Amino acid sequence: DSGVTQTPKHLITATGQRVTLRCSPRSGDLSVYWYQQSLDQGLQFLIQYYNGEERAKGNILERFSAQQFPDLHSELNLSSLELGDSALYFCASSSQQGFGAFFGQGTRLTVV
Amino acid sequence: DQQVKQNSPSLSVQEGRISILNCDYTNSMFDYFLWYKKYPAEGPTFLISISSIKDKNEDGRFTVFLNKSAKHLSLHIVPSQPGDSAVYFCAASEGASGSRLTFGEGTQLTVNP
Repeated sequence: DSGVTQTPKHLITATGQRVTLRCSPRSGDLSVYWYQQSLDQGLQFLIQYYNGEERAKGNILERFSAQQFPDLHSELNLSSLELGDSALYFCASSSQQGFGAFFGQGTRLTVV
Repeated sequence: DQQVKQNSPSLSVQEGRISILNCDYTNSMFDYFLWYKKYPAEGPTFLISISSIKDKNEDGRFTVFLNKSAKHLSLHIVPSQPGDSAVYFCAASEGASGSRLTFGEGTQLTVNP
């Protein structure tokens, strides 16, 4: 158990819809990262938040947004969903002192 | 622009033998490298890391080697066990701690009994 909690584990929704993925980081970790893993692909970095502020942005579509709340949990919002958005979405957290990151179990999003 | 590449999508070895997984990178700003292991339906699990000031780091059966001039790193698993069968991801970061990770595509390792 990495200590990072993601909900829900599975999500099936229709094209054009909007969903919210939730992540609770490890206790004490201020950084939260979101990654997307499409079929047979590596993990693509989407966005990072540190203590409520956006710190880094990767290959995140304009239809996607994220935020980190005062209690440090984070949400990834995906809107106007397309079939190609079907993927595993991972959240990870890290402390400022430590390198690397600890990953949650992921949310498998299926857009039909 | 794939800054971290794992050119072997799969590797099959016999139990007890050595597994060698390779990774190449192009960004010379990367100064910290990690290996993650991933089982199906689970998130990546941190395995071992190495800083660019070192060329080798060992943890039990796992050893990571870094060749900065070649921009190449490798993970050695000795002896390999069937439970090691998983997808292995190489990752890299630059700058200070708390930086984002750039991942390779992963290598599926299968250890046959």
